[in-house]
Amino acid sequence: DSGVTQTPKHLITATGQRVTLRCSPRSGDLSVYWYQQSLDQGLQFLIQYYNGEERAKGNILERFSAQQFPDLHSELNLSSLELGDSALYFCASSVEAGNYEQYFGPGTRLTVT
Amino acid sequence: AQTVTQSQPEMSVQEAETVTLSCTYDTSENNYYLFWYKQPPSRQMILVIRQEAYKQQNATENRFSVNFQKAAKSFSLKISDSQLGDTAMYFCAFTINQAGTALIFGKGTTLSVSS
Repeated sequence: DSGVTQTPKHLITATGQRVTLRCSPRSGDLSVYWYQQSLDQGLQFLIQYYNGEERAKGNILERFSAQQFPDLHSELNLSSLELGDSALYFCASSVEAGNYEQYFGPGTRLTVT
Repeated sequence: AQTVTQSQPEMSVQEAETVTLSCTYDTSENNYYLFWYKQPPSRQMILVIRQEAYKQQNATENRFSVNFQKAAKSFSLKISDSQLGDTAMYFCAFTINQAGTALIFGKGTTLSVSS
């Protein structure tokens, strides 16, 4: 157990809908990263937050957004969902923005039908 | 741009044997970190081992060790005394020593350990 929690574990929704994925980092970690794992694209970095502020952006679509709250949990919002958004979404956390040892949560499996 | 390449999509090994997974990377940076992550059928991403580029000594964690060749930009993972529980997808990952940078992953190698 990495100490990073993600909810829900599984999510099935229809095209065009909006969903929110939640992540709680390890105790003491200030930085949260979101990654998407799909069969064709592999593991891709989406976005990073550090202590409530956006720190880095990767291949995140405009339909996707995220935030980190004062209690350091983070939410990833996916809207206008398409079939291609079906993937495993991971949250990872680290102590600092520049701490390179990232610990991953169990992931949320999103299926868009 | 940094890239990570794992040239072995699949590998298999017998229990108790040793196996080596290959990884190469491309970067113009001098200060960076390399990792191997394990993803078993449960899909959980588990950090196996980490190597700092400035360290010449190869990292070791129990049965897992790396062969880090900085000049060749090579970072292989050796698993000794393979166990059935080592069956998983293994990802090589890279990040530079700069705040606000994330992990760049290779495509992964599926390792099957059989009895």
